[in-house]
Amino acid sequence: AQSVTQLDSQVPVFEEAPVELRCNYSSSVSVYLFWYVQYPNQGLQLLLKYLSGSTLVESINGFEAEFNKSQTSFHLRKPSVHISDTAEYFCAVAPGGYNKLIFGAGTRLAVHP
Amino acid sequence: NAGVTQTPKFRILKIGQSMTLQCAQDMNHNYMYWYRQDPGMGLKLIYYSVGAGITDKGEVPNGYNVSRSTTEDFPLRLELAAPSQTSVYFCASSFTGDQPQHFGDGTRLSIL
Repeated sequence: AQSVTQLDSQVPVFEEAPVELRCNYSSSVSVYLFWYVQYPNQGLQLLLKYLSGSTLVESINGFEAEFNKSQTSFHLRKPSVHISDTAEYFCAVAPGGYNKLIFGAGTRLAVHP
Repeated sequence: NAGVTQTPKFRILKIGQSMTLQCAQDMNHNYMYWYRQDPGMGLKLIYYSVGAGITDKGEVPNGYNVSRSTTEDFPLRLELAAPSQTSVYFCASSFTGDQPQHFGDGTRLSIL
């Protein structure tokens, strides 16, 4: 069975510092990988996705994630965070397609001034 | 530019009551989904639909029912509310199973 583990439930960080949110998955089949962001009292928004090809994927707001097949990881990074990045971040896998996403428990990123 | 609209945003129910959570999308998406989000846990799929008239169970379907009579609407019904169903419920939609899902803002449901 597929599963997703987000290794940190909370990550506090100061503004302009770098951050890494860790995600590991287990799957016996090829998967698609995603990061979603949830701002307070809102639904989830797709941040970035890995389907195939280049293992490094980027979002429009400076986040990037790298697919590492040997370590079954898909960690999310940003070199310099802003207060507005404060949110909850969910890693998800989809074995064989988008329509059955399996989510991790989430990591709450708190950016402090 | 509504996207996925969920109503109500908040609701308190008594044990044993029933209610329907509404979900509508205006993007002509074929696929629609219902998730629940419990504190400290990720979203879990309750039911999904690949088109009008077609629904299927997800990971946690017990205690819920769905119907899909139109492309736009995908209501979720709780027949006999139980405290274990206290959660935040999210509806999502996608054009196909190979496209990203768009989420509504959620319905926060408390059962006392």
